Amino acid sequence: DVKVTQSSRYLVKRTGEKVFLECVQDMDHENMFWYRQDPGLGLRLIYFSYDVKMKEKGDIPEGYSVSREKKERFSLILESASTNQTSMYLCASSLVPDTQYFGPGTRLTVL
Amino acid sequence: EDKVVQSPLSLVVHEGDTVTLNCSYEVTNFRSLLWYKQEKKAPTFLFMLTSSGIEKKSGRLSSILDKKELFSILNITATQTGDSAVYLCAVTQGGSEKLVFGKGTKLTVNP
Repeated sequence: DVKVTQSSRYLVKRTGEKVFLECVQDMDHENMFWYRQDPGLGLRLIYFSYDVKMKEKGDIPEGYSVSREKKERFSLILESASTNQTSMYLCASSLVPDTQYFGPGTRLTVL
Repeated sequence: EDKVVQSPLSLVVHEGDTVTLNCSYEVTNFRSLLWYKQEKKAPTFLFMLTSSGIEKKSGRLSSILDKKELFSILNITATQTGDSAVYLCAVTQGGSEKLVFGKGTKLTVNP
């Protein structure tokens, strides 16, 4: 079974803090994704990576950066957290686009 | 602009009812359409559809794709409270690793 894990289920941070969200997959997938999910807006792609050290912007990359130093790990970084980044963050990985496996999500609250 | 539109956005039914969820799409180079179910955590995969008119079935859930009219439906018969979830529709495109998601349909099944 494919497993995608995320470092925290719930996280509370203060405005201006640097925030790291980590995602690890155990299936040697090439592709990894970060989404945020908000009521009424659905899943929106922030960044994705198709290989180690490779990344591409998604639909809403502003205010975020990513790091992929190892194949199994994809990190999302909020350089200076703001209240409008309060959201559910979902990580996913895939070998082929038709089969994305999702992690359990991190609910981030920025105060 | 590529888009996926789901309707209705939310739906409340009673146990035993049959529901139909809709997903229409306008994307370039369509490859496949995916349905996911999301309860309180990670979306879980339900169906992948690539060919028109071929019904996919899993228990009380079924889905079909119409590539001419660019839509898919997800049917759930004899609904149960455990079917309460957000149902997500997503489309993949040739040459891209990304999914294009709709905003989801929130289904609530009351006892």
